[in-house]
Amino acid sequence: GESVGLHLPTLSVQEGDNSIINCAYSNSASDYFIWYKQESGKGPQFIIDIRSNMDKRQGQRVTVLLNKTVKHLSLQIAATQPGDSAVYFCAENTSGTYKYIFGTGTRLKVLA
Amino acid sequence: DGGITQSPKYLFRKEGQNVTLSCEQNLNHDAMYWYRQDPGQGLRLIYYSQIVNDFQKGDIAEGYSVSREKKESFPLTVTSAQKNPTAFYLCASEGEDSSTGELFFGEGSRLTVL
Repeated sequence: GESVGLHLPTLSVQEGDNSIINCAYSNSASDYFIWYKQESGKGPQFIIDIRSNMDKRQGQRVTVLLNKTVKHLSLQIAATQPGDSAVYFCAENTSGTYKYIFGTGTRLKVLA
Repeated sequence: DGGITQSPKYLFRKEGQNVTLSCEQNLNHDAMYWYRQDPGQGLRLIYYSQIVNDFQKGDIAEGYSVSREKKESFPLTVTSAQKNPTAFYLCASEGEDSSTGELFFGEGSRLTVL
């Protein structure tokens, strides 16, 4: 299948372990952040989002952490499963604008 | 089911030809976007439209054109002026009243220039 990123950083984790994917964002004015999952040849799927008035948000098996001091975002996936294998990327936005800035992504490989 | 439909999924074009990628949404969203995705790069904005009959250039609009005659449709034309059109193209939409600002993406169209 097609690859959305031939030279992306890769994180390999054992099935059942926790995964942590990191993202450094660029704009200090950004106040809204999204994590997307993209499988090969498909469009990105929304995973979880967070606004800048929070530093942590939890979903089903996923947690997003936001550190505004160092402009860092992370996605934690608990009990990683083979179906989690994909490219994950972050997006940042400033409320009231239509400008989203997207990260290049990290490829997650889940080892059986 | 509500969503965004892009077509065709794969498209081959000879140099010098214009091609049009279709994007249709039934989410009743006002804002629609076109992004280009290349290996190792983040999504780059080509054009966006906040409302029917209005659209704005994004960061890499040269060689592309769009129209927004209907709320649900936002086709992208890749013209012969686009020097490197081979890429994966993604259409997205966003509701004006969305509390999350979440972008919904289509499944993408892969254009290859022969």
